[in-house]
Amino acid sequence: DAGVTQSPTHLIKTRGQQVTLRCSPKSGHDTVSWYQQALGQGPQFIFQYYEEEERQRGNFPDRFSGHQFPNYSSELNVNALLLGDSALYLCASSLDPSTSSYNEQFFGPGTRLTVL
Amino acid sequence: AQKVTQAQTEISVVEKEDVTLDCVYETRDTTYYLFWYKQPPSGELVFLIRRNSFDEQNEISGRYSWNFQKSTSSFNFTITASQVVDSAVYFCALSVKTSGSRLTFGEGTQLTVNP
Repeated sequence: DAGVTQSPTHLIKTRGQQVTLRCSPKSGHDTVSWYQQALGQGPQFIFQYYEEEERQRGNFPDRFSGHQFPNYSSELNVNALLLGDSALYLCASSLDPSTSSYNEQFFGPGTRLTVL
Repeated sequence: AQKVTQAQTEISVVEKEDVTLDCVYETRDTTYYLFWYKQPPSGELVFLIRRNSFDEQNEISGRYSWNFQKSTSSFNFTITASQVVDSAVYFCALSVKTSGSRLTFGEGTQLTVNP
């Protein structure tokens, strides 16, 4: 049973460029969340997708957008990259928590983005 | 709003010592969940434990134990007889029922276990 997978592993971009990160959830999971983890800090919630719609959003600018596909996989897009966007981007999948008691989130290995 | 504070930025111990990682949380919700995750240098977050707000029973799993005290809003993590493989960053996190599975993390504690 494959866990959460993310691609690419590493990415280097320059300021002003756009980037797309991808995530495939754990088998059977329908909810995907994205987190940004800057160096030396804890992960910060970006947004969560369920049924192809953004259900929750953290305190991130509109430059950060996402998408969820019918197969539950997800993309995170960041436009007009800034140096401060350099971070580890983590994807987590779970079952829809609104349908039952809390469902654990499973994290992927992350994509390390460096903006030069 | 939710908040998690891990006051210890770094801890260094010698192998076989016991070590406790502190976590203090803030929330106005009455139903919430507390977590500990381990993050080795590879970066992937490894789930260690989840407790819900209605269960204050302490838990022990091998060398790991957790002390949950609602009166002090704390959820501390103790590693007994630490090993070099325990070296990692440990994160405490909080999720409230009204926010689904959204996690609020602390800043993490870097644990180094020296041989």
